[in-house]
Amino acid sequence: KAGVTQTPRYLIKTRGQQVTLSCSPISGHRSVSWYQQTPGQGLQFLFEYFSETQRNKGNFPGRFSGRQFSNSRSEMNVSTLELGDSALYLCASSGAMGANSYEQYFGPGTRLTVT
Amino acid sequence: SQQGEEDPQALSIQEGENATMNCSYKTSINNLQWYRQNSGRGLVHLILIRSNEREKHSGRLRVTLDTSKKSSSLLITASRAADTASYFCATTNSGNTPLVFGKGTRLSVIA
Repeated sequence: KAGVTQTPRYLIKTRGQQVTLSCSPISGHRSVSWYQQTPGQGLQFLFEYFSETQRNKGNFPGRFSGRQFSNSRSEMNVSTLELGDSALYLCASSGAMGANSYEQYFGPGTRLTVT
Repeated sequence: SQQGEEDPQALSIQEGENATMNCSYKTSINNLQWYRQNSGRGLVHLILIRSNEREKHSGRLRVTLDTSKKSSSLLITASRAADTASYFCATTNSGNTPLVFGKGTRLSVIA
């Protein structure tokens, strides 16, 4: 099976712009979670989608949003970028109904740099 | 906020030695998982231990869980240079709640 893919791998944006990141889960997986990883805060949960519905949401401002399509592919959007949004954004998919009771399969991440 | 806290933050050992990393958490859990991350890449799942289990093995990995102390340890035996990575513990307290990660232990294995 192909693994989780994320596009783009690297991105440089300017403050105030918006960005959309894409994630394709492992075939058959219905749950997709997004995480932000920074040196200072570590890995922080953004949100989780299951069957096109947001099932869980982390403690991030409304500038961070996401969605999931009927083929389970997911996108996340960050509007009005700030310098502090520079991070590695990781997507993970899981096949189980209780997604976080089971292992998550991570993509390689998108490295976002905001200047 | 972080649920798990790994200890030590960084560990440097010689190839062939054993590496032990610890994780403490704050609230009750359904399961605890360990992940590995090679420099700036995605995480790879290593092992999952459920709250009613005390020990699990997978190859050179041994994980213990002490729910009374809210702690877990990951032992890597006979370490190799390829084990150099950051190791994270992650917990969840029910079937549908998000995984909460610790800040990780950076392991360096010197050949």
